[in-house]
Amino acid sequence: DTAVSQTPKYLVTQMGNDKSIKCEQNLGHDTMYWYKQDSKKFLKIMFSYNNKELIINETVPNRFSPKSPDKAHLNLHINSLELGDSAVYFCASSQGAGTGNQPQHFGDGTRLSIL
Amino acid sequence: EDKVVQSPLSLVVHEGDTVTLNCSYEVTNFRSLLWYKQEKKAPTFLFMLTSSGIEKKSGRLSSILDKKELFSILNITATQTGDSAVYLCATNSGGYQKVTFGTGTKLQVIP
Repeated sequence: DTAVSQTPKYLVTQMGNDKSIKCEQNLGHDTMYWYKQDSKKFLKIMFSYNNKELIINETVPNRFSPKSPDKAHLNLHINSLELGDSAVYFCASSQGAGTGNQPQHFGDGTRLSIL
Repeated sequence: EDKVVQSPLSLVVHEGDTVTLNCSYEVTNFRSLLWYKQEKKAPTFLFMLTSSGIEKKSGRLSSILDKKELFSILNITATQTGDSAVYLCATNSGGYQKVTFGTGTKLQVIP
């Protein structure tokens, strides 16, 4: 059973379009995250939600809007896509955000390519 | 700003060699340090370290944390081609699991 699943796995689209990536976890975790990994493999946190509430919002353009309908889902909507948005986007989840002592479990990533 | 620095950036070794990967950090309100292995897709969790000087071990992999000098090492003994991957170091800090990743060390093990 997949613990953290993201869809789609690949997304190829044109500049200016709007797209969404979905993430679901079946681990019963209360915290979910979105990361962006660039071509040099640098993984940078974008957002974190704890029990559907936004708790981490790093410096990310407001074209990116996360939405958490429940604690098992965290979706990422991106408006007006730009070339620099091309990257692999990873969703992750963990338990107990407040302790800071729990590993995160990652999805397989969504490779976004902007033409 | 929190910072995690890994070295070397890349490494090529022969099967059977022992390797040591380094991670140094400067973070506010440090809580824990984690190591992940990333092959083609998702990073997979290896170790979490919270206390200085206590070695964590899993098979041929081991890791230790020095909270005074602010670094950690990941050792892999008797390397195999299946160990080829990017190894990521990350810190948990602050209140709600603010996670900062290093740039990773790309390890290639050749037969």
